This record gives sequence, structure tokens and C-alpha cells, in this order.
Amino acid sequence: GDSVTQMEGPVTLSEEAFLTINCTYTATGYPSLFWYVQYPGEGLQLLLKATKADDKGSNKGFEATYRKETTSFHLEKGSVQVSDSAVYFCALSDSGGSNYKLTFGKGTLLTVNP
Amino acid sequence: ETGVTQTPRHLVMGMTNKKSLKCEQHLGHNAMYWYKQSAKKPLELMFVYNFKEQTENNSVPSRFSPECPNSSHLFLHLHTLQPEDSALYLCASSQEVAGVIVQFFGPGTRLTVL
Repeated sequence: GDSVTQMEGPVTLSEEAFLTINCTYTATGYPSLFWYVQYPGEGLQLLLKATKADDKGSNKGFEATYRKETTSFHLEKGSVQVSDSAVYFCALSDSGGSNYKLTFGKGTLLTVNP
Repeated sequence: ETGVTQTPRHLVMGMTNKKSLKCEQHLGHNAMYWYKQSAKKPLELMFVYNFKEQTENNSVPSRFSPECPNSSHLFLHLHTLQPEDSALYLCASSQEVAGVIVQFFGPGTRLTVL
């Protein structure tokens, strides 16, 4: 079945540091890939997505590129801020008949210190 | 603001109580979901409703009973819960965006079972 593996963290960075959160997946077919973010006390928010190989999703300075050859969708940001402290979830939805279902990774807690 | 609201935001109940969680969206979405988020575990999909019909029950114990009276409202009725059911319960709805199903989450209900 489908699965998502992401680095569990926690990740602690200083402000303006470079961020990478690794995500790899296994899926049948050609999945769409997502990064969701959960700020403290809130639900999940869609951060970015990519629907096919070599697509790059980007939002709020975050980027992730859909790499079919390495089955990866790593999240990056060049300069993190304190306000980026949150839990980040990598997810996929398969292109099969049940494409409304999301498979999530376990989440990575990011803490950015001033 | 994703347009998905959940009430209550916090709930404490005893094992013999009966309570209900409510989710509401006026985004025009046709699919709604219940997820369970426990510490250190991936997000668990519990139920999916598509056009008010339940299309997914992910082996959820019968002490959780969903109800979807219309496309805008989703309930989760709780009875005879166990302490291990304590978690954050997230509701989501979804729409197709450029051929991809995107889920929008509510803020969640933090449930504590004593």
C-alpha cells in the first residue's frame, strides 16, 4: 500500500538558517504530493503541492520538487523565521480510484529560535 | 481561515458519557472526513463521506458513530470511550483543484477521556 516516510525530528534551527525536511514515498500509480503545516493549537493547512514529476510546489518561501526517480518530495526554505515553528506533514494522494484519500507521514516538528 | 469549523474545541468526558463533535463547512465541498491525531502517530483517517454517503470506514470501533445529514455538516457521536481515545479529532472537507483533490482542515477538537 501507499506510504510516506519523513524525518521525524524534532528539528531545531536558528532564525535565517536553511531548512530541509526529507520526505520519501511509495505508491502505486502516479500520486499527487503535498506538504501540510500545523501551527500550535490549529488544524492542518495546505502549504504546497505538486501533481507530476519535476513539478515544483512553492509557497511562503517554501519549495519542494516532485522527484519521481528518487520518489522524494523534500521541503526546503532558504531562511526560516520564528513564525515557521510548526509541525510539517508530507502526504500523498494516489491517482487511483480513491484519490480523495491522503496518506500522511508522521510529521516533523520544527522549532526556530530567535 | 479554511472555512471549516469544529465545535467544541476542547472536550473532557468520562468513559460512560455520550457526546458529539460537530463539523461545518460552507465551502461547497461534497466530501468530508474525520481524522484522529494522536501523539507520535501518523494521522489516521476514520471516516469519509462523499455526497452525504459514507464511502470509507477505516475499521473504526463502533463507539465512534458518524453522521452526515447534509453536505455541509458532519458529526461524530461518541459513547463509552476509552482513555486511549484521547486525541485531537480533525475534520476536513475537500474540493478538486486543477484535477487534484485538496483537503481543507478544521482546527480540531481536543478530546480527553478520563
